[in-house]
Amino acid sequence: NAGVTQTPKFRILKIGQSMTLQCTQDMNHNYMYWYRQDPGMGLKLIYYSVGAGITDKGEVPNGYNVSRSTTEDFPLRLELAAPSQTSVYFCASSLQGDSGNTIYFGEGSWLTVV
Amino acid sequence: AQKVTQAQTEISVVEKEDVTLDCVYETRDTTYYLFWYKQPPSGELVFLIRRNSFDEQNEISGRYSWNFQKSTSSFNFTITASQVVDSAVYFCALRDYNFNKFYFGSGTKLNVKP
Repeated sequence: NAGVTQTPKFRILKIGQSMTLQCTQDMNHNYMYWYRQDPGMGLKLIYYSVGAGITDKGEVPNGYNVSRSTTEDFPLRLELAAPSQTSVYFCASSLQGDSGNTIYFGEGSWLTVV
Repeated sequence: AQKVTQAQTEISVVEKEDVTLDCVYETRDTTYYLFWYKQPPSGELVFLIRRNSFDEQNEISGRYSWNFQKSTSSFNFTITASQVVDSAVYFCALRDYNFNKFYFGSGTKLNVKP
């Protein structure tokens, strides 16, 4: 029962470096999301995707890029990392439907930019 | 615009006390879904309950109960006879019907002391 898997779990980046957070889900969900959670704060939507080949910006997209080449994978790219991007990142997925399907989260990736 | 407000930032109770976590939402949709998630100190997000806008029946699951009132746009969560293991951050969320986007409140941190 893998669900949503994201890697790495922990990473320290230097200012200006780039990296990719990987996310994959095995539930055949069409919707995928990236959220960030700053210390003591709620979740803010960075990007989301309604299916392979389709992505859209959320509330806080600046400094990030995504791609969705397959249903399973939704990597998040950080270009030119800044201290403001120090956060916990959660990948999630859901299945569109009238039943209002639940959103399933990965375990989170703790990123520190120094 | 979609918005979820959790006005209680942090609540502390003594074990066995009952506690209610408030959630107020804003939406123009007539069809929507409401959720509660638990985030224990380990950081993962755990699904607790989903409710659709057509079902205002209150729900009870063990020590947990939820009170959904469309008239006041509230979806409150009560823990009866709280336990130390209930200590966590609790998030209320709204999912819109059309775009399958989830909007999260800022969370309420619950501290249950022995």
